[in-house]
Amino acid sequence: ELKVEQNPLFLSMQEGKNYTIYCNYSTTSDRLYWYRQDPGKSLESLFVLLSNGAVKQEGRLMASLDTKARLSTLHITAAVHDLSATYFCAVEDDKIIFGKGTRLHILP
Amino acid sequence: DAGITQSPRHKVTETGTPVTLRCHQTENHRYMYWYRQDPGHGLRLIHYSYGVKDTDKGEVSDGYSVSRSKTEDFLLTLESATSSQTSVYFCAISGVEDGETQYFGPGTRLLVL
Repeated sequence: ELKVEQNPLFLSMQEGKNYTIYCNYSTTSDRLYWYRQDPGKSLESLFVLLSNGAVKQEGRLMASLDTKARLSTLHITAAVHDLSATYFCAVEDDKIIFGKGTRLHILP
Repeated sequence: DAGITQSPRHKVTETGTPVTLRCHQTENHRYMYWYRQDPGHGLRLIHYSYGVKDTDKGEVSDGYSVSRSKTEDFLLTLESATSSQTSVYFCAISGVEDGETQYFGPGTRLLVL
């Protein structure tokens, strides 16, 4: 059974700092997705990672995938308040399984 | 934004009553999904469809049924609603390209009293 674990589940950080969210999973999948959800809203696709070593960047966010370690990271550079949200990773095996989400609170 | 709508957006119902939620897409995507989102659990897949009349179970399918008679509509039915089915329900769609991301609808908040 595919399991997807994110950590931390909650993160409070100051603007301008860097931090990383981790997504560990239990199968050999090479299909991993990152989503953002604002409070009371739907999910928005951020990144699609489809192979070992894949790296995608958009603004202050960068996602990477290491299929051998079964690990994806979402790195935040010089955080700004607008990045406050909940971030989910999801892994596709025969089905798509989501992590529990990381609630990110960036203090101005 | 992907053309996905959900109806109703909010519903309050009583235990034991049947409830049907509708997901409608204008993107002609092949795959459609129903998820529920609960605090501490993230999103959990209820059922999904890979074509008209083709559906399969997800992680938490007990107490739910689905139907897809047209490409654009995917219905989720709670056969006899229980308080444990109080949740936010999201529909999602995706195409057939390898590794294509999912696009999510706005969600339906369901309260079962």
